[in-house]
Amino acid sequence: DSGVTQTPKHLITATGQRVTLRCSPRSGDLSVYWYQQSLDQGLQFLIQYYNGEERAKGNILERFSAQQFPDLHSELNLSSLELGDSALYFCASSVATGTGDYGYTFGSGTRLTVV
Amino acid sequence: EDKVVQSPLSLVVHEGDTVTLNCSYEVTNFRSLLWYKQEKKAPTFLFMLTSSGIEKKSGRLSSILDKKELFSILNITATQTGDSAVYLCVLPRGNLIFGKGTKLSVKP
Repeated sequence: DSGVTQTPKHLITATGQRVTLRCSPRSGDLSVYWYQQSLDQGLQFLIQYYNGEERAKGNILERFSAQQFPDLHSELNLSSLELGDSALYFCASSVATGTGDYGYTFGSGTRLTVV
Repeated sequence: EDKVVQSPLSLVVHEGDTVTLNCSYEVTNFRSLLWYKQEKKAPTFLFMLTSSGIEKKSGRLSSILDKKELFSILNITATQTGDSAVYLCVLPRGNLIFGKGTKLSVKP
């Protein structure tokens, strides 16, 4: 157990639907990062939150949004789902905004399948 | 634009073989380079490299960085089936910039 908890582990939903993925960071970590991993792409950075505030944005679609709550857990909301959104979604946490070292801990991921 | 390119993208070897995985990168204001191993689930940390020419070792795995030529290699000696995984080269830039990974398959 890495200390980063993601739920659910698997999700199957239909096109056009909306889903919410949840991430609880490791105790003491203030930053949460979301990544998308598709078969033909590497891990793509989506968005980062630090202590409740958005800190950096990557290749995140407008249909996707995220937030970090006062208890530091984060949710990634995916709406108007398309087949191409099927992927593994990882959450990672770190103590600071970007430690530049190995202080990133990954959750086990949520596998989203859009049918 | 910061980027990481890994090669080969996939590799099949037999137990006992030695493998070398390559990573080249482009980045402004280099700070460090990371290697991760990803099996079925979350990437797990292997090495952090910050200085040229200093080898990091952990058992049968080792890695070295060349900051002048902008590349790093990950070596695995006496491979085992448990080494089968995707190996990711990563640039930490606040968030993490990942290469596409090298998928290593070790056959018995």
